[in-house]
Amino acid sequence: GMPVEQNPPALSLYEGAESGLRCNFSTTMKGVQWFQQNHRGRLITLFYLAQGTKENGRLKSTFNSKERYSTLHIKDAQLEDSGTYFCAVEATNNNAPRFGAGTKLSVKP
Amino acid sequence: EAAVTQSPRSKVAVTGGKVTLSCHQTNNHDYMYWYRQDTGHGLRLIHYSYVADSTEKGDIPDGYKASRPSQENFSLILELASLSQTAVYFCASSDAGTGVDTQYFGPGTRLLVL
Repeated sequence: GMPVEQNPPALSLYEGAESGLRCNFSTTMKGVQWFQQNHRGRLITLFYLAQGTKENGRLKSTFNSKERYSTLHIKDAQLEDSGTYFCAVEATNNNAPRFGAGTKLSVKP
Repeated sequence: EAAVTQSPRSKVAVTGGKVTLSCHQTNNHDYMYWYRQDTGHGLRLIHYSYVADSTEKGDIPDGYKASRPSQENFSLILELASLSQTAVYFCASSDAGTGVDTQYFGPGTRLLVL
């Protein structure tokens, strides 16, 4: 498979804080998706990007195909943001997204 | 909202037995996928399909077969279940044409092989 690296593996934030998660990949990708896996194990789609930047409320994601990375920025962290965040990337010559190992986010009061 | 359902939601199987996990989607998506997730890890691609009656191998296909009898249904078959196949299995679908599109995931099937 295609190596997909996520950093950091784990992150702890206080409510109201902000931070960024990063997804690095080794080859040119068609696009990237970001997911949150909640405490019940459900996978929730946050973004998919073929290029550029997208925002949704307190979340913002960028995709830099040339530099081979994507970021997910969370601002004003809330308790319900806790969970594991995965990126999944799709190579230009392959039609099945591959996942990184995830970043486990804990938001504390 | 895309609807992807999986059955069963959980299963206990014996080593050497046959297990079939089913996935059904109602969104007219062409692509379907099976992933497994081991505790504390990300998802790994087992098999996928982009059209009925055809399946493709993912990154960890050994020990698994897949079947796509129709656009809506995609099954994962463990002919001889082994202890190492204990995991949570996720099915997903997407409408990826020429580029990335959103994957919609089912709720997962928790499989325990004893």
